[in-house]
Amino acid sequence: QVQLQESGPGLVKPSETLSLSCSVSGYSISSSSGYYWGWIRQPPGKGLEWIGNIYQSGRTYYNPPLKSRVTISLDMSKNQFSLQLNSVTVADTAVYYCARVTAKDGAGSGKFDSWGQGTLVTVSS
Amino acid sequence: DIVMTQSPESLAVSLGERATINCKSSQSILYISNNRNYLVWYQKKQGQPPKPLIYWASTREIGVPDRFTGSGSGTDFTLTISSLQAEDVAVYYCQQYYSTPLTFGGGTKVEIK
Repeated sequence: QVQLQESGPGLVKPSETLSLSCSVSGYSISSSSGYYWGWIRQPPGKGLEWIGNIYQSGRTYYNPPLKSRVTISLDMSKNQFSLQLNSVTVADTAVYYCARVTAKDGAGSGKFDSWGQGTLVTVSS
Repeated sequence: DIVMTQSPESLAVSLGERATINCKSSQSILYISNNRNYLVWYQKKQGQPPKPLIYWASTREIGVPDRFTGSGSGTDFTLTISSLQAEDVAVYYCQQYYSTPLTFGGGTKVEIK
């Protein structure tokens, strides 16, 4: 059974870069044909927002409002994938989740079938 | 972008009674070639990640109790909990996976009356 676990700093200063990793166990991300690996966030008291997905080939798909600030990458040697969000503001304060995505097509779309527990990242000086 | 609109924002239902949650998409999420609606329902309990309940609008995930039923097609969808149990207290979200950007409904909070 696949398990995912987010890790990274819980506090980031405004204008700096948020960096999170997601460690995957029980499944090799290099054999993820049919799956993407994705990030979702939930600001306090608000709903869920998709950040982006990555395929095993390294192809990425980002939510347009965040696209200019987001980078998602894979590290197959560590069986993990990562999120970088640049130039953060208080509006980026949220619980960040990583997830496995069952692909619907080759265009980045899919449903999130396994989730990490989430990690709260607070943006504050 | 496909906008997902859920209603109501919250509802309180007595134990054993029916709870009905609606989700409407701004455009059809029915894929004509395979007649599947690309909609998933999640249950999110406090302090936990979302848990997928139903996909393709009406197919239960393995292990999900049969009191949870998904229905609808095209742009209008419903999640019904036929007999509310205490452990069903949660926020429920719909999500379309017809196209990117992937989008979620705003959530419906279900409580016990």
